[in-house]
Amino acid sequence: EAQVTQNPRYLITVTGKKLTVTCSQNMNHEYMSWYRQDPGLGLRQIYYSMNVEVTDKGDVPEGYKVSRKEKRNFPLILESPSPNQTSLYFCASSLWATIKKNEQFFGPGTRLTVL
Amino acid sequence: KQEVTQIPAALSVPEGENLVLNCSFTDSAIYNLQWFRQDPGKGLTSLLLIQSSQREQTSGRLNASLDKSSGRSTLYIAASQPGDSATYLCAASSSSGTYKYIFGTGTRLKVLA
Repeated sequence: EAQVTQNPRYLITVTGKKLTVTCSQNMNHEYMSWYRQDPGLGLRQIYYSMNVEVTDKGDVPEGYKVSRKEKRNFPLILESPSPNQTSLYFCASSLWATIKKNEQFFGPGTRLTVL
Repeated sequence: KQEVTQIPAALSVPEGENLVLNCSFTDSAIYNLQWFRQDPGKGLTSLLLIQSSQREQTSGRLNASLDKSSGRSTLYIAASQPGDSATYLCAASSSSGTYKYIFGTGTRLKVLA
């Protein structure tokens, strides 16, 4: 089944404890992206990747890191989480034909709470 | 900087009604616009993608239109059903030479049986 998977689905952690949220897709997609969703603010893009070893900042990259060492995986790293990073996180991917045809497909989400 | 707005924030309609959801964007030089559906506590499901060179796309009871010159897209839902109840989101690509996406805050739709 074609899908985007995220792990963990739920995570409660404490301030300053490094964590990684994994994202994997099995559709051979080039474009991958991370978003966070907050009440009243909607979805905001954190980082995106056009292909292996090619990443760029979205609108809210501060406090996050990403890497794209393999085409199928795009982990989101929080080196020192803070309470304002408590949010619902989504990973998305798309087959990059051209940007005009860049239809994104989303994972199920990871609910992160930082105490 | 691209900004995307969806009005109204919430909408309730009786079953069977045809309805229109609105999405406005400030920078008309977009590459594409995508409509999504989000059910409570769930991820996003892609509904329709309209490329910048297209005027509309259709899938079943859904029809999405795009007017770049006025910075507007609409999602038309025909013969609404209770199962259509969800939050509908639109996302426009940024035209700033990057490949970012900007989302609206969504319209929460409730279709009453």
